[in-house]
Amino acid sequence: QVQLVESGGGVVQPGRSLRLSCAASGFTFSSHGMHWVRQAPGKGLEWVALISDDGSQQYYRDSVKGRFTISRDNSRNTLYLQIDSLRAEDTAVYFCAKDLTTLAIIFDYWGQGTLVTVSS
Amino acid sequence: EIVLTQSPDFQSVTPKEKVTITCRASQSIGDGLHWYQQKPDQSPKLLIKYASQSLSGVPSRFSGSGSGTDFTLTINSLEAEDAATYYCHQSTNLPWTFGQGTKVEIK
Repeated sequence: QVQLVESGGGVVQPGRSLRLSCAASGFTFSSHGMHWVRQAPGKGLEWVALISDDGSQQYYRDSVKGRFTISRDNSRNTLYLQIDSLRAEDTAVYFCAKDLTTLAIIFDYWGQGTLVTVSS
Repeated sequence: EIVLTQSPDFQSVTPKEKVTITCRASQSIGDGLHWYQQKPDQSPKLLIKYASQSLSGVPSRFSGSGSGTDFTLTINSLEAEDAATYYCHQSTNLPWTFGQGTKVEIK
């Protein structure tokens, strides 16, 4: 069965960096786009970034462009999110989500999430 | 950016009652509208894709309809396990956006 397991969250000071990972199993990782979606405490869902199946295309929401970098290692079935220059408003649970196809932009499986708290 | 507005924000419903949640898009998105269910302390689950397409493993009491700017998620004969927050999501235009969520509580 499909499994997505995020790691790398924690408490970080503003301006610092963090790298999130998402280990995938149970499907052909290299055939699907992958996303990061976040949820601030008590708030709704917000799409953050997408990487295509082969890693050649990346898309970001405006508020994270230049600070977040999505990447993937298809040989390790792992998705990453490098977060630089962290801000208080980046505090959220970060979910990795599998795309239904290559780029359907439909999130058919989600991980359990990893909490990032930005605080001094 | 396409804004998705859900109504109501909150609904308290008795078991076996019918629930209707609407999602209105700020511009036409065709059928690029999908519904998710998020139970407390869990990750979201895909319920309906492309406005009305059902998914394997999702109970048949969940159905969707609509196109363009107005969409509806219907839960027929609500069960206690359906207590959750429901989100619509559009896949038509970057940035891909979600509605603010509708919390369904069981009376």
